[in-house]
Amino acid sequence: AQSVSQHNHHVILSEAASLELGCNYSYGGTVNLFWYVQYPGQHLQLLLKYFSGDPLVKGIKGFEAEFIKSKFSFNLRKPSVQWSDTAEYFCAVQYSGAGSYQLTFGKGTKLSVIP
Amino acid sequence: NAGVMQNPRHLVRRRGQEARLRCSPMKGHSHVYWYRQLPEEGLKFMVYLQKENIIDESGMPKERFSAEFPKEGPSILRIQQVVRGDSAAYFCASSPGEGHTEAFFGQGTRLTVV
Repeated sequence: AQSVSQHNHHVILSEAASLELGCNYSYGGTVNLFWYVQYPGQHLQLLLKYFSGDPLVKGIKGFEAEFIKSKFSFNLRKPSVQWSDTAEYFCAVQYSGAGSYQLTFGKGTKLSVIP
Repeated sequence: NAGVMQNPRHLVRRRGQEARLRCSPMKGHSHVYWYRQLPEEGLKFMVYLQKENIIDESGMPKERFSAEFPKEGPSILRIQQVVRGDSAAYFCASSPGEGHTEAFFGQGTRLTVV
């Protein structure tokens, strides 16, 4: 079965620290990759997405992610976090083929940034 | 964005009652997806609908759950005879075409069954 793994359930960082959240997906051929963020009480918001081309993707709010095909990974990074980045982050994969309109989500990583 | 509207935001039901969750897609979007997030889990696909058609309901529990997206009005996710295990956050997304390349999510409805 197709699956997405997010390595960390809860990450706590001080402001200005660097962030890297891991995401691995099971093999399934061609994929589209997404990172979403959910701030407390708000909707899921798209941070960035990868469909093809440059494997280093830049998103909103200073986030970026790197697609490493050989490792089936799509890790999210930010060089310097802010208190306002406190939120839950979800990695999601859209697999090609039957049911390709679905997203398969990881369980999410809660990020707490301490001022 | 506030384009995809879900209501209510919070819903409390007693066991055995019915729950109706509504999703109004963004203007111009005719494709709707419902996802469920159980505690400590990621979002899981439930159903994909286009106007007046259920395209894929492979993620829907076989009993008690149904969904519709009428020609006019919001998409409705209906849960009959709710049980404690139905307590979850239910998210809706909409897109102008098939797939999530241009999809937006709503804020979700948190259902609590007591």
